[in-house]
Amino acid sequence: DVKVTQSSRYLVKRTGEKVFLECVQDMDHENMFWYRQDPGLGLRLIYFSYDVKMKEKGDIPEGYSVSREKKERFSLILESASTNQTSMYLCASKGRIEQYFGPGTRLTVT
Amino acid sequence: DQQVKQNSPSLSVQEGRISILNCDYTNSMFDYFLWYKKYPAEGPTFLISISSIKDKNEDGRFTVFLNKSAKHLSLHIVPSQPGDSAVYFCAASADNQGGKLIFGQGTELSVKP
Repeated sequence: DVKVTQSSRYLVKRTGEKVFLECVQDMDHENMFWYRQDPGLGLRLIYFSYDVKMKEKGDIPEGYSVSREKKERFSLILESASTNQTSMYLCASKGRIEQYFGPGTRLTVT
Repeated sequence: DQQVKQNSPSLSVQEGRISILNCDYTNSMFDYFLWYKKYPAEGPTFLISISSIKDKNEDGRFTVFLNKSAKHLSLHIVPSQPGDSAVYFCAASADNQGGKLIFGQGTELSVKP
């Protein structure tokens, strides 16, 4: 079974803090993704990566950056957290067609 | 511009009956469509997919139908069970978009005993 893990299930940060969200997959997948989920908006793609050190912007990259130094690990960075970044963050790893998701991180920025 | 739309935010069904969740899309280049199920505070779980060259795919209680001319797909769950209560997302991918999935807004299904 594919396993995608995320470093925290719940996180509370203050406005202006730098936030790191970590994601690890164990299936040697090349493609990894970061989404945020907000009520009524579905899942929106923030960034994705085809391979180590490669990254592409998704639909809502503003205020975020990513890092992929190892194939199994894809990190999302909030450079200076703001209250409008309070959300559920989901990491995914892509198999042949489908994506496999981690359990999510509920981030609250106060 | 919403390329994948789920116009019903919620659906309530009696246990044992059929649940039908609908999804519309605008991009004719999509070549795969997928359905995911999501419980609160968990990540989405892949349910079933269909290639754009097919019109039906079945897996146990779940069947997905694709109508390309109408740019519409639906997920049928028969019979519905209380454990099916969750948010269902449809998603689409295009070969020329590097494996990205475009998600609909989700439909919250409630199956009542």
